[in-house]
Amino acid sequence: DTGVSQNPRHKITKRGQNVTFRCDPISEHNRLYWYRQTLGQGPEFLTYFQNEAQLEKSRLLSDRFSAERPKGSFSTLEIQRTEQGDSAMYLCASSLDHYPGKEQYFGPGTRLTVT
Amino acid sequence: GIQVEQSPPDLILQEGANSTLRCNFSDSVNNLQWFHQNPWGQLINLFYIPSGTKQNGRLSATTVATERYSLLYISSSQTTDSGVYFCAVGYSGGGADGLTFGKGTHLIIQP
Repeated sequence: DTGVSQNPRHKITKRGQNVTFRCDPISEHNRLYWYRQTLGQGPEFLTYFQNEAQLEKSRLLSDRFSAERPKGSFSTLEIQRTEQGDSAMYLCASSLDHYPGKEQYFGPGTRLTVT
Repeated sequence: GIQVEQSPPDLILQEGANSTLRCNFSDSVNNLQWFHQNPWGQLINLFYIPSGTKQNGRLSATTVATERYSLLYISSSQTTDSGVYFCAVGYSGGGADGLTFGKGTHLIIQP
């Protein structure tokens, strides 16, 4: 069990550019979650997948944010036309989908800085 | 949505002291987790405790779901316990299975 991994760990981009982050969940976990954490706050839930199906996306911050999990394994989070307010830590988590196995395990995060 | 309040927001203690962190939540939950966020931002799982009591070494936690609160106890604090402690809750089955986090308790253990 290698844990949740995220790449890149840090990303610096200019305002207006598109960025994409990758998350690889724990191998046997079929649920995958994305969160955003800004300075001094707790993580904020954005979206989640069960296998390849995106079951909740109303919490995505704007239509510039999109996520995919095409084969039910790794996931990508894309932000188009980045703004300075998008600067934050983006966290991914995974879990099993059956009770009581829904404990979520988090990756190390991708820290985005928009200049 | 569910509201989560953590107290105290900040706590400074000497090494060896004991502490109690509290988490209040506004609605029924079937998922409650405690995390420690290290200085590099990694969230480390401490407890998955939607109800009952658990212990792991110097740490223990209790959740009273009917009264909508959870407590995290740290005994004999060490400097490595410093960091931010988050409580996060969720309710599975309503469609949005994401966790709602509190703002955290920032703990500083001084040598």
